[in-house]
Amino acid sequence: DTGVSQDPRHKITKRGQNVTFRCDPISEHNRLYWYRQTLGQGPEFLTYFQNEAQLEKSRLLSDRFSAERPKGSFSTLEIQRTEQGDSAMYLCASSYPGQGYGYTFGSGTRLTVV
Amino acid sequence: DAKTTQPPSMDCAEGRAANLPCNHSTISGNEYVYWYRQIHSQGPQYIIHGLKNNETNEMASLIITEDRKSSTLILPHATLRDTAVYYCIVPGGGNKLTFGTGTQLKVEL
Repeated sequence: DTGVSQDPRHKITKRGQNVTFRCDPISEHNRLYWYRQTLGQGPEFLTYFQNEAQLEKSRLLSDRFSAERPKGSFSTLEIQRTEQGDSAMYLCASSYPGQGYGYTFGSGTRLTVV
Repeated sequence: DAKTTQPPSMDCAEGRAANLPCNHSTISGNEYVYWYRQIHSQGPQYIIHGLKNNETNEMASLIITEDRKSSTLILPHATLRDTAVYYCIVPGGGNKLTFGTGTQLKVEL
């Protein structure tokens, strides 16, 4: 068990560029979550997958954001036409059925839009 | 999710017990209390959860009042590595956790 892995750890991009982040959950976890955290705030829910199905999306997930989990294993979060307001830590978490809300989080991807 | 209220910050001397309070007066009968912590530049880490009985694991103890309107997370012998933001969460069902701003615990020598 290597935990939840996120790549890259840090990303600096120019406004208007597209970025993609990757999350590798714990292998036996079929549930995967994306959160966003800005400075001084707690993490905010973005979206949830069960296996490959995206079952819930927050209103925070504007049409510039898209998340996929094509084979029910790793997931990607893409942000198109980045804006300065997208600067944040993007966190991924995973869990298995019966685990309740004791999720395992990755260390996050820190995005800075300049 | 039931609303939780936590103090914004607390200090604790290394080696002493850290007692972090949380109010959740609107909690309903079947809702659990979860605690997470987040060390600087890392993702949140699950600590412990409970329904009505006190709980203990290798990381901490959770004391829930009899009326379940408040709880206390206890770190029995705080170390510098326990410096973090501690979140008390009462999930209301569904598939997401709603984090507040938590309590910044600073453990000092």
